[in-house]
Amino acid sequence: GQNIDQPTEMTATEGAIVQINCTYQTSGFNGLFWYQQHAGEAPTFLSYNVLDGLEEKGRFSSFLSRSKGYSYLLLKELQMKDSASYLCAVRESVVGQNFVFGPGTRLSVLP
Amino acid sequence: DAGVIQSPRHEVTEMGQEVTLRCKPISGHNSLFWYRQTMMRGLELLIYFNNNVPIDDSGMPEDRFSAKMPNASFSTLKIQPSEPRDSAVYFCASKLGGWEETQYFGPGTRLLVL
Repeated sequence: GQNIDQPTEMTATEGAIVQINCTYQTSGFNGLFWYQQHAGEAPTFLSYNVLDGLEEKGRFSSFLSRSKGYSYLLLKELQMKDSASYLCAVRESVVGQNFVFGPGTRLSVLP
Repeated sequence: DAGVIQSPRHEVTEMGQEVTLRCKPISGHNSLFWYRQTMMRGLELLIYFNNNVPIDDSGMPEDRFSAKMPNASFSTLKIQPSEPRDSAVYFCASKLGGWEETQYFGPGTRLLVL
């Protein structure tokens, strides 16, 4: 079956670093995605990993270990605007675009 | 660019009524996705199109749901008849083809079925 786990909520302080973990067990794997979703808004794409290792994009980095079924999103120099839900998603099919989303992690950044 | 456009933004209807949600993808994008988001089930992929052709509709919950993409700039998701459990936010997203991985989401349609 499909299972993607993320912590439900996290809290961090402005200026700090936070790591949001995602573990997955899916029938197939063809990429892991992270999305940011502010309350009442649509998700926005943050990152994509298909090979093991770290992808860095500004203050955000995403890591993948396929053998462990594990990813994390690292947010540095936290800002108040980073308060949002962070969704981990796995694309299962090699030839298709079927995505399975995790429940999301709600991050609160405190002053 | 205007981004992905969805209409209506809010819809309130009564059980049994037909509901049609509309989406205009970003010009030049050739993949289009319909998602549903609820507190209980999170974000779920319902169906996606590639070059206007439905590729995978395994996420469509049941026969009451149908989606069409008559041309590259328009898609509809129809629910008939609607039920209270269909209440959710429905998102449409589009992306370029090839190796581009970024999906751009529309603002969503908030549907409430009474």
